[in-house]
Amino acid sequence: QQQVKQSPQSLIVQKGGIPIINCAYENTAFDYFPWYQQFPGKGPALLIAIRPDVSEKKEGRFTISFNKSAKQFSLHIMDSQPGDSATYFCAASIIYNQGGKLIFGQGTELSVKP
Amino acid sequence: NAGVTQTPKFRVLKTGQSMTLLCAQDMNHEYMYWYRQDPGMGLRLIHYSVGEGTTAKGEVPDGYNVSRLKKQNFLLGLESAAPSQTSVYFCASKSSDRSGGISYEQYFGPGTRLTVT
Repeated sequence: QQQVKQSPQSLIVQKGGIPIINCAYENTAFDYFPWYQQFPGKGPALLIAIRPDVSEKKEGRFTISFNKSAKQFSLHIMDSQPGDSATYFCAASIIYNQGGKLIFGQGTELSVKP
Repeated sequence: NAGVTQTPKFRVLKTGQSMTLLCAQDMNHEYMYWYRQDPGMGLRLIHYSVGEGTTAKGEVPDGYNVSRLKKQNFLLGLESAAPSQTSVYFCASKSSDRSGGISYEQYFGPGTRLTVT
């Protein structure tokens, strides 16, 4: 049972473009929604995260938009750069339940062309 | 701080062989996790631990066992490896601090690439 669905599977944009990655979840008890960035051969690293009490969070060029009623959230990367080329994972958890275990989406491989 | 470290980095096993993957963290985190990563499937939780001496099953626990004898270490064991266990394995850890302004971040290790032939 895939509780977090992520799309698209892959994405190619030109430098300066705004890639958007979407995720949908099923469990309304989720209360923490992070995005992780992974470079080849490395472990995932937290990029940005949001709680369901806000609809948007921005950190630098990265923005999460959150729609609680639709059970969807998305990552926007402003002014994308070739160095942003990586795999991005959305995830969800219930913070104080079962160790706050994360349920991950399938991942999106982003390529930013110079 | 080394953060989260994993050994070994690579391993090739024959079907039926056993091995143990070691995860160590130096951040004094209570919570530790083992995930496997397969193409198109994201990361899936195998087992996790909320403290020394405690473990629990995740989404895909079959064929794996774990132990948390020391707070800083979390071991993942494969008793009889199968080709379906070919994957990249990641360990992660997280603070259990519930004080205000805490980070819920899970810190990941660099991974172990395991091939079972």
